Amino acid sequence: DAGVTQSPTHLIKTRGQQVTLRCSPKSGHDTVSWYQQALGQGPQFIFQYYEEEERQRGNFPDRFSGHQFPNYSSELNVNALLLGDSALYLCASSLPSNTEAFFGQGTRLTVV
Amino acid sequence: AQSVTQPDIHITVSEGASLELRCNYSYGATPYLFWYVQSPGQGLQLLLKYFSGDTLVQGIKGFEAEFKRSQSSFNLRKPSVHWSDAAEYFCAVGEGYSGGGADGLTFGKGTHLIIQP
Repeated sequence: DAGVTQSPTHLIKTRGQQVTLRCSPKSGHDTVSWYQQALGQGPQFIFQYYEEEERQRGNFPDRFSGHQFPNYSSELNVNALLLGDSALYLCASSLPSNTEAFFGQGTRLTVV
Repeated sequence: AQSVTQPDIHITVSEGASLELRCNYSYGATPYLFWYVQSPGQGLQLLLKYFSGDTLVQGIKGFEAEFKRSQSSFNLRKPSVHWSDAAEYFCAVGEGYSGGGADGLTFGKGTHLIIQP
């Protein structure tokens, strides 16, 4: 079992650009959540996808959007990047009947 | 709104000594509580969780935590730390299962654990 996998591992983007991050959930998991972890901070919940729909959202602007595919994999899109979007982006997946979330290694996004 | 406070930003413990990391939460109902550990450059690994029942929960790597409703606390403990325990520790609260798996978690800012030889 490969666990939760995220790609790419590292990414450098220019302010104003758009970025797409990808996540493959742990085998059998159908719920995917995304978190932003700024340097020296705890992860902050961005949103959660279940059955290809956004079912929960944290306090993030509309520049942050996502998608879940029929195979349960997910994408996080960020438009009009700001310097403050530089962070580690974590994806977590879970089973429908279990509250335990499994995290991937994250994607380190640097905006310059 | 739910919140989590980890009062200690850094803690230094000698190898072999006992450890207690503090966590206080604010939540209206019975919370689902978690402790995660993060090593440098890594994702988060679940140490233990509390949903209901026995207020003392056992986790992996010899960790345990005690839920105290009266103090709104969920402190993490280990009787004897090892150098490999050096990492960042996060306490989190969530609403748990609501038909779609684990709900979005609210994390504290973390406690950085340093182990002295």
